[in-house]
Amino acid sequence: QKEVEQDPGPLSVPEGAIVSLNCTYSNSAFQYFMWYRQYSRKGPELLMYTYSSGNKEDGRFTAQVDKSSKYISLFIRDSQPSDSATYLCAMRRAGGTSYGKLTFGQGTILTVHP
Amino acid sequence: DAGITQSPRHKVTETGTPVTLRCHQTENHRYMYWYRQDPGHGLRLIHYSYGVKDTDKGEVSDGYSVSRSKTEDFLLTLESATSSQTSVYFCATNRDTNEKLFFGSGTQLSVL
Repeated sequence: QKEVEQDPGPLSVPEGAIVSLNCTYSNSAFQYFMWYRQYSRKGPELLMYTYSSGNKEDGRFTAQVDKSSKYISLFIRDSQPSDSATYLCAMRRAGGTSYGKLTFGQGTILTVHP
Repeated sequence: DAGITQSPRHKVTETGTPVTLRCHQTENHRYMYWYRQDPGHGLRLIHYSYGVKDTDKGEVSDGYSVSRSKTEDFLLTLESATSSQTSVYFCATNRDTNEKLFFGSGTQLSVL
């Protein structure tokens, strides 16, 4: 069983829709949670970064972490065609030798059509 | 891509040949990482470095070795390439372990 599970989609939505992307995880040691966006033939880029449980909002993007359920979400409001990309959740333990060693989900392919 | 250059961008090689991928960064970041990305698996850590000549294994290190003789360069070597190593390889760096990772644009490697 993978430590982090993410529905690969693909997900296709009309422009303006609210998008919900989710990941579940099994390792309760994960403390830092991230969402990366990856455009075709590019490297991932950090979109959202949260520590422990709670919500974080940045423009049209909201990240939620529910540690009790081992579940994280990314919401995209008023989705745009430029949001079409692969979205990867990632997480890591705190401190020690965790360094930047992230555990990634499989990625969800999102297409927003005009 | 935050001053991270991966070379080559594409490579086709034959089973059993050695292959070296290069990651060069101009950010003076201390930490560097090699990930591979495969369908259904997301990104998986191969090796990482926490300083010059300081490296350690990630979760999928078998068949790979790394070297870091200078802060700016991190090399990934496939000693004897196999078809299972066909993948997209990404280099990543960060200044501190609590800071975000910056990724390069990747190397598409095909082992025939």
